[in-house]
Amino acid sequence: QVQLVESGGGVVQPGRSLRLSCAVSGFTFRTYAMHWVRQAPGKGLEWVALISNDGNYKYYVDSVKGRFTISRDNSKNTLFLQMNSLRAEDTAVYYCATTLVTPNFDYWGQGTLVTVSS
Amino acid sequence: QSALTQPASVSGSPGQSITISCTGTSSDVGSYNLVSWYQQHPGKAPKLMIYEDKKRPSGVSNRFSGSKSGNTASLTISGLQAEDEADYYCCSYASSSTWVFGGGTKLTVL
Repeated sequence: QVQLVESGGGVVQPGRSLRLSCAVSGFTFRTYAMHWVRQAPGKGLEWVALISNDGNYKYYVDSVKGRFTISRDNSKNTLFLQMNSLRAEDTAVYYCATTLVTPNFDYWGQGTLVTVSS
Repeated sequence: QSALTQPASVSGSPGQSITISCTGTSSDVGSYNLVSWYQQHPGKAPKLMIYEDKKRPSGVSNRFSGSKSGNTASLTISGLQAEDEADYYCCSYASSSTWVFGGGTKLTVL
């Protein structure tokens, strides 16, 4: 069955960096684009980034451009989100998601919590 | 990349129908047949309920339906059940390979 498992969250000070991972199984990872979506505590969902199946194309929400980098390792079935210069407003649960069956986010991980605080 | 507009809350009694609106612009909702709706229970990951404006994924109850007119999409839940109580989010493709979500609507089943 399809599984997406995020890891790497934790508490980090403002200005520092963190790298999230999303390990996938149950489908041919290298065939599909992947996304990161986040949700601040008590708030709504926010699309963060998209990477094409081959990793050649990357897109970001304006608020993270220049600070976050999405990447993938198709040999290890893993998606990454490198987060630099973290701010308090980046505090959120970060989900990886993909579009396996439909053109919309039909499979999600369980999320990993990132807390940016001094 | 402005968020889509949803009502903060809606409510209904068991058996009734409710509709949640999602208003965007001609650059997102109005330009693409790529509006989706997600149900989220507390502490859980979102679940896709409607995609491509009005299609239901396999396994989703036919009590859930989607529609769109111009820049506004809608999610209708008929025959409300207690387990429908959750947060609901709309989402639209917004050009240049970016996506935008709505602010979310809390559904209360009275």
